[in-house]
This record gives sequence, structure tokens and C-alpha cells, in this order.
Amino acid sequence: DAKTTQPNSMESNEEEPVHLPCNHSTISGTDYIHWYRQLPSQGPEYVIHGLTSNVNNRMASLAIAEDRKSSTLILHRATLRDAAVYYCILRLYQGAQKLVFGQGTRLTINP
Amino acid sequence: DARVTQTPRHKVTEMGQEVTMRCQPILGHNTVFWYRQTMMQGLELLAYFRNRAPLDDSGMPKDRFSAEMPDATLATLKIQPSEPRDSAVYFCGTTAGDKNEQFFGPGTRLTVL
Repeated sequence: DAKTTQPNSMESNEEEPVHLPCNHSTISGTDYIHWYRQLPSQGPEYVIHGLTSNVNNRMASLAIAEDRKSSTLILHRATLRDAAVYYCILRLYQGAQKLVFGQGTRLTINP
Repeated sequence: DARVTQTPRHKVTEMGQEVTMRCQPILGHNTVFWYRQTMMQGLELLAYFRNRAPLDDSGMPKDRFSAEMPDATLATLKIQPSEPRDSAVYFCGTTAGDKNEQFFGPGTRLTVL
């Protein structure tokens, strides 16, 4: 599985945008970029995924670099409930659907 | 509100005892994953099933761990005998067909003394 690199931790303030970076320089053409988050004492939760184009949903936006070697998860207006560990994961669309989790980024939101 | 259910939520046992953890997938989800999370190793995939058949159990210690899906509504993860190093939170994740989103249960926190 191709590897992703994320900062160990980030901090932001409530009601401000948050940009969580992820590097994946060895990504292959068939790898989708997935983001999951894990709130304290809960199981992981799907956030968003994309292949080449930027994506938006009710939770977040995903900005994918033109060369696909990096991506950024954007929380437009962070709330205290967004404090979690955010995982950037590469996954083949077809075949195996397993998720290989790295260490993720621990996001702290200050009131 | 469809959710993945896991039981028990907490389990404390003594070394050498058998432990069985259960997962009820969301109705219609045919792929079930078992993950283990520890502070040292993070989230690790142990095994997964599709349509009740095992697809990959390479992450699972074969001598003491076993995973099964007796039917489409139940997946089990068994440890026999349990050891202190098995202490972790065990998560079940499920998904439907070739869908992208994986849904996770609340986990079973296992403590082996």
C-alpha cells in the first residue's frame, strides 16, 4: 500500500478554517484518497474521498494537488466537536477495500 | 438509524481465558472488517470477510485468534487463550458491496490481566 505522511498534531481555533495536509508522493493512478476521523472513545468515521478533482460534502472539502502527490482536508469552520484524529488513507477502488491507517493528525480546537 | 453494533463494549478477563467479541453489521452490508487499536501500534487490520467468506486474515495471530461469520447478521472474533498483550480496543467495520464508505462500531475494549 502506498504510504501517506501527515503532521502528528495541529491546533486551531473555533469557528476558523482548518487545513489538514497529507503527502502521498508514491500514489498510483488507481488510488483513491480517503479521509477518516476518530473522535475520542469512538470508532473511525468516514469524512470524504476523491480521485483527481476537488470534492465537497456536508462535513468537509478535499483539495487534491494537480500531480496528486498531496491533498488537503479543509474544515471550513471548525467546532469543538471536530477535535479528533484525522487519517489520510490511499485505497484501491476495485478489489480490496481494506483501510490501512497511519498515525494520523491529532487536531485540537481551542475555544 | 443504521449502525454497526458491537458487544460487549468492555471486557476484563484473566490471562488464559477465552474471549469472544461480536459484531452485527448494518443490514445489507456484506463486507466485515476487524481492526485492533493500541497506543503503540495504532489501528491495525486483523481480518476481513465478504459474503461471509474470509478474504484476508494475514494480520491476525493464527495460533490464538479466529474470526468467523456464522451468518450475514453476525461476525465473531475469538481469542483463545488470551494474553495481556491482546489488551486493546477491537473495532468492527462494515461496508456494502463496492461502496467507498466504511462504517465502524463503537469498539470492544479488552483488558487481559
